[in-house]
Amino acid sequence: GQNIDQPTEMTATEGAIVQINCTYQTSGFNGLFWYQQHAGEAPTFLSYNVLDGLEEKGRFSSFLSRSKGYSYLLLKELQMKDSASYLCAVRDEAYGNKLVFGAGTILRVKS
Amino acid sequence: DTEVTQTPKHLVMGMTNKKSLKCEQHMGHRAMYWYKQKAKKPPELMFVYSYEKLSINESVPSRFSPECPNSSLLNLHLHALQPEDSALYLCAIGGDPLASTDTQYFGPGTRLTVL
Repeated sequence: GQNIDQPTEMTATEGAIVQINCTYQTSGFNGLFWYQQHAGEAPTFLSYNVLDGLEEKGRFSSFLSRSKGYSYLLLKELQMKDSASYLCAVRDEAYGNKLVFGAGTILRVKS
Repeated sequence: DTEVTQTPKHLVMGMTNKKSLKCEQHMGHRAMYWYKQKAKKPPELMFVYSYEKLSINESVPSRFSPECPNSSLLNLHLHALQPEDSALYLCAIGGDPLASTDTQYFGPGTRLTVL
């Protein structure tokens, strides 16, 4: 089966750093994705990891440990516009390579 | 820049109506997806088209009927929907559903309300 866990909500302060964790259990792991979704809008692709390690893209970084079934999304220099839901999604080749989404983490950035 | 367009942005329909949602892309991506997203829930996969052929149907009720007339266009035909079908319907595109590096990019979605 598949199971993806993320915290439901997080709150952080503008200018700070926040780490959103994601743990997963899948039969045929074939990549992990992070998406950002503002309320009422479509998900926007942020990052992709398939090998262990850190991928950095501006203020956003994503880390993967396949042996631990663990990933995190790191957001630096938080801005108010970063308030959104962050979705962790895992591609599972045991299920036709479809993406399976976690429930999402609602991040609230306060001033 | 990846661009996926969806029309209409909003749709209100009665349970006896027939309507269609449209998704268009001109990036040459060969995988196209329909997702349904309810409020405060993650997207749920409905259908996958790979090279214009239906490859995955996630046991979606027959009142939803997908169609892929060509590599740029994906439709979702709706008939006899129920109020619980009200949701955000998202189209996504990807390069190759079998490639491990394939990334899905979402369109802006159609907000559907069934009365």
